[in-house]
Amino acid sequence: SQELEQSPQSLIVQEGKNLTINCTSSKTLYGLYWYKQKYGEGLIFLMMLQKGGEEKSHEKITAKLDEKKQQSSLHITASQPSHAGIYLCGAPRWGGGADGLTFGKGTHLIIQP
Amino acid sequence: ETGVTQSPTHLIKTRGQQVTLRCSSQSGHNTVSWYQQALGQGPQFIFQYYREEENGRGNFPPRFSGLQFPNYSSELNVNALELDDSALYLCASSPQTSGYNEQFFGPGTRLTVL
Repeated sequence: SQELEQSPQSLIVQEGKNLTINCTSSKTLYGLYWYKQKYGEGLIFLMMLQKGGEEKSHEKITAKLDEKKQQSSLHITASQPSHAGIYLCGAPRWGGGADGLTFGKGTHLIIQP
Repeated sequence: ETGVTQSPTHLIKTRGQQVTLRCSSQSGHNTVSWYQQALGQGPQFIFQYYREEENGRGNFPPRFSGLQFPNYSSELNVNALELDDSALYLCASSPQTSGYNEQFFGPGTRLTVL
């Protein structure tokens, strides 16, 4: 099954600065999901990527999937306090659309005013 | 449109007891997945239900079992609770099992086993 490694594990960024979170897979990704989680709460869907080289943006967040489909990055521009939380990448366990997701351990993002 | 809801919000049990957690899927969604998230970890897939049948299972022992009802709501049952079962339990629903569909997560149930 898929194994996902996220880096960095935690990140402290001054408000207004840009930041990048990475998610690396040991195998080809057939889909890559980005979620955000407030501490102790449910996951909020951010974006899903499927095709190599695909890039999606929503407000100040941009996610990319590399051409080889083994690495994804999440970039936040001009960070705000509302961006604070845990960012999780997830991928289908066996490459197919059905079945559950495997997740990375998450990146804890703290925004300093 | 109602989102995914879970009950209860918090629960405290003692070792050896049994627990049932409940999930109501988003309207129109026929697939429900359950995840266990230990502190500081990503969610771990427990199992998935599609049209009342188990459709996939992660690396969890048989004392973790589930049900899905005709209205697509679901239960997670855990028997013989162990201290390591303390975690946030998340339920997610999606509209179908084929294709790469977004999974919509509920707020979770925090289980503490003493």
